[in-house]
Amino acid sequence: DSGVTQTPKHLITATGQRVTLRCSPRSGDLSVYWYQQSLDQGLQFLIQYYNGEERAKGNILERFSAQQFPDLHSELNLSSLELGDSALYFCASGPGLAGRNEQFFGPGTRLTVL
Amino acid sequence: GQSLEQPSEVTAVEGAIVQINCTYQTSGFYGLSWYQQHDGGAPTFLSYNALDGLEETGRFSSFLSRSDSYGYLLLQELQMKDSASYFCARSRSNYQLIWGAGTKLIIKP
Repeated sequence: DSGVTQTPKHLITATGQRVTLRCSPRSGDLSVYWYQQSLDQGLQFLIQYYNGEERAKGNILERFSAQQFPDLHSELNLSSLELGDSALYFCASGPGLAGRNEQFFGPGTRLTVL
Repeated sequence: GQSLEQPSEVTAVEGAIVQINCTYQTSGFYGLSWYQQHDGGAPTFLSYNALDGLEETGRFSSFLSRSDSYGYLLLQELQMKDSASYFCARSRSNYQLIWGAGTKLIIKP
């Protein structure tokens, strides 16, 4: 158990809909990262937050947005969903420091868009 | 450039030794990490190298050569449970991790 929690575990929805994925980081971690992993693909970095502020942006679509709240939990919002958005979405947390930057991953949310 | 290169798939025999290579671009390089991911599971941290040389943790070792922009993960005494995908990732000065595409390790009895 990494100490990172993600809800929900599974999500099935229809095209055009909007969903919110939630992540609670490990106690003491200030940084949260969101990743997308499609079937048999690598990890696509979406966005990073550090202590409530956006720190780095990866290949995140304009239809997607995220935020980190004062209690450090984070939410990833996916809107106008398309079939191709079906994937495993991971949240990771870490100290967010340069160098070692070890990231602890949650179990993921499996999103299926029908 | 930001990319890392690693083989897409490696096959080895149970009990043997396997090496998974990773080459990277040097821009803002801080160090190289390795993660393991079993099918359907979450990635888990294995090791981190900031300096040249070998870091050993049980059956797993990781090596870094900064001058060659190259690292590898060495797995010894392979067990069936080591079948997984292995990702190298480099730390940059802006706190971001840049990930390789992953190497699927297939272990045969």
